[in-house]
Amino acid sequence: AQSVSQHNHHVILSEAASLELGCNYSYGGTVNLFWYVQYPGQHLQLLLKYFSGDPLVKGIKGFEAEFIKSKFSFNLRKPSVQWSDTAEYFCAVRNRDDKIIFGKGTRLHILP
Amino acid sequence: DGGITQSPKYLFRKEGQNVTLSCEQNLNHDAMYWYRQDPGQGLRLIYYSQIVNDFQKGDIAEGYSVSREKKESFPLTVTSAQKNPTAFYLCASRGTGAGTEAFFGQGTRLTVV
Repeated sequence: AQSVSQHNHHVILSEAASLELGCNYSYGGTVNLFWYVQYPGQHLQLLLKYFSGDPLVKGIKGFEAEFIKSKFSFNLRKPSVQWSDTAEYFCAVRNRDDKIIFGKGTRLHILP
Repeated sequence: DGGITQSPKYLFRKEGQNVTLSCEQNLNHDAMYWYRQDPGQGLRLIYYSQIVNDFQKGDIAEGYSVSREKKESFPLTVTSAQKNPTAFYLCASRGTGAGTEAFFGQGTRLTVV
């Protein structure tokens, strides 16, 4: 069955530190890949997505992610985090049957 | 405003009662989804629908039912067979086309007492 694994459940960083959140998926066919963010008390918002072309994609608020097909990975990165990045981050995969499966999420806490 | 509306925001029901959660979208999207969000579990797919009058089970469909009689509406019924119905429920929709993402509603928090 299709699955998405997020390796870090809870990450604590200081402001200006670099961030990398891991995401691996199990589906072998063509996929669309997404990172969503859920700020406290707010609804899920799209950070960035990959569906074809350049495997390095840039999203909002300085986030980027790299699709590595051979590793079935789509890791999220940000060079320098801010206190306002405190949120929960979800990786998601859509397969050709239109199912969109999410990982369990990573809670990111930025210390001011 | 275009978007996805879930109502109500909070819902309380007694154990053994069925309850229906509403999801309406005016984005003209074909696909719609229902997820359940529990702490530490992420979002788990309950049902999804790619087109009117058709829907498929997700990973945790047991104890839930859906209908898709209109493009803009995808109500979810939590039946008395659902063993642990208290949760946060999220509805999403997605347009057609390669690489389109899902847009989410604000969610409904269901508490069964």
